[in-house]
Amino acid sequence: GAGVSQSPRYKVAKRGQDVALRCDPISGHVSLFWYQQALGQGPEFLTYFQNEAQLDKSGLPSDRFFAERPEGSVSTLKIQRTQQEDSAVYLCASSGQLNTEAFFGQGTRLTVV
Amino acid sequence: GQQLNQSPQSMFIQEGEDVSMNCTSSSIFNTWLWYKQDPGEGPVLLIALYKAGELTSNGRLTAQFGITRKDSFLNISASIPSDVGIYFCAGPRFAGGTSYGKLTFGQGTILTVHP
Repeated sequence: GAGVSQSPRYKVAKRGQDVALRCDPISGHVSLFWYQQALGQGPEFLTYFQNEAQLDKSGLPSDRFFAERPEGSVSTLKIQRTQQEDSAVYLCASSGQLNTEAFFGQGTRLTVV
Repeated sequence: GQQLNQSPQSMFIQEGEDVSMNCTSSSIFNTWLWYKQDPGEGPVLLIALYKAGELTSNGRLTAQFGITRKDSFLNISASIPSDVGIYFCAGPRFAGGTSYGKLTFGQGTILTVHP
């Protein structure tokens, strides 16, 4: 597709369950970003990749959050032992270069019950 | 990271009215971005501002980068029903940054347009 694709669109997890969220960036985009958007709030930066290198993970809220992009294309955000406070929309964005516009996907809405 | 404060939090207007919203920060920004987010979608970039005092238009949208570099506003003229959504200001996550991807977002302004 032409845009950033995220899957699944919706995920319901029981507290304590591990989840994996996928992001397919725009083809050829080297920069990839993950954001967390709580209900009624703006997106909050989680982590940034340039190709396969994770250059900034300062926004990850705890060591239960892990992101990877092993081949510099598709990225996975993994949350271990999910907690209720992890419920949010997780947005992925990609850009051709760091200093160009980033395009966002539709997000994955995670609900932890 | 830096903090951005948006106001108002929400607006209810009649179709055809003009809208103004603003964003302030305690820190200086080098870039201001304005996004719109529709329900169930990711944010979409509307306007990007690069230097103090800059006034930029995109159709019915006009945005300005404040002279102090600590504020920005967005105006929408002659609103229509499809303007409904959440409008966010955003800037580089750390002072002096120029990234359009590593961003700090405001809390958003919810716009409702009555036909």
